[in-house]
Amino acid sequence: KAGVTQTPRYLIKTRGQQVTLSCSPISGHRSVSWYQQTPGQGLQFLFEYFSETQRNKGNFPGRFSGRQFSNSRSEMNVSTLELGDSALYLCASSVKGGGHQETQYFGPGTRLLVL
Amino acid sequence: QKEVEQNSGPLSVPEGAIASLNCTYSDRGSQSFFWYRQYSGKSPELIMFIYSNGDKEDGRFTAQLNKASQYVSLLIRDSQPSDSATYLCAVTPSGTYKYIFGTGTRLKVLA
Repeated sequence: KAGVTQTPRYLIKTRGQQVTLSCSPISGHRSVSWYQQTPGQGLQFLFEYFSETQRNKGNFPGRFSGRQFSNSRSEMNVSTLELGDSALYLCASSVKGGGHQETQYFGPGTRLLVL
Repeated sequence: QKEVEQNSGPLSVPEGAIASLNCTYSDRGSQSFFWYRQYSGKSPELIMFIYSNGDKEDGRFTAQLNKASQYVSLLIRDSQPSDSATYLCAVTPSGTYKYIFGTGTRLKVLA
């Protein structure tokens, strides 16, 4: 089975722009979670989607949004980029989401640099 | 209190030694526990998962779970320099679909 894929892998934007990141989960996985990782903060949970519905949301401003399509692919969008949004954005998928005996697998990440 | 706590390290061990990484969690009803390894600049990769109290072995890795004490640990036997990475502990609390991650422990294996 192919793993979780994310595009693009690297991105450079300037402050005020917006960006859309894409994630394709492992075949058969319906839950997709997004995380932001910065050197000082570790993995910060952004949101989780299952069957096109957002089930969980982390503590991020409304500039961060996401969606999931019927084929389980997911996108996240960041509007009005700030310097502090520079980070590694990770997508992870699982069959049903966190729960008993549900394992989550990560994609390679998108590294975003905001100038 | 953080939901999942790990010592940030770095934990330094000589090559060939046993590295012991610990993680505590706050939700007593947590169901599943995971260890991920993350090399610098890369994404986390799953090493092991454990669901039941006791030990689970996979090659050089052993995960230990003690639900009564709310801790989970990872032992790495015969540590190699290639094991040098950050190890993330993740927990799925009861009643949620979320995975809660610790901040990770940085392991350095000295040749």
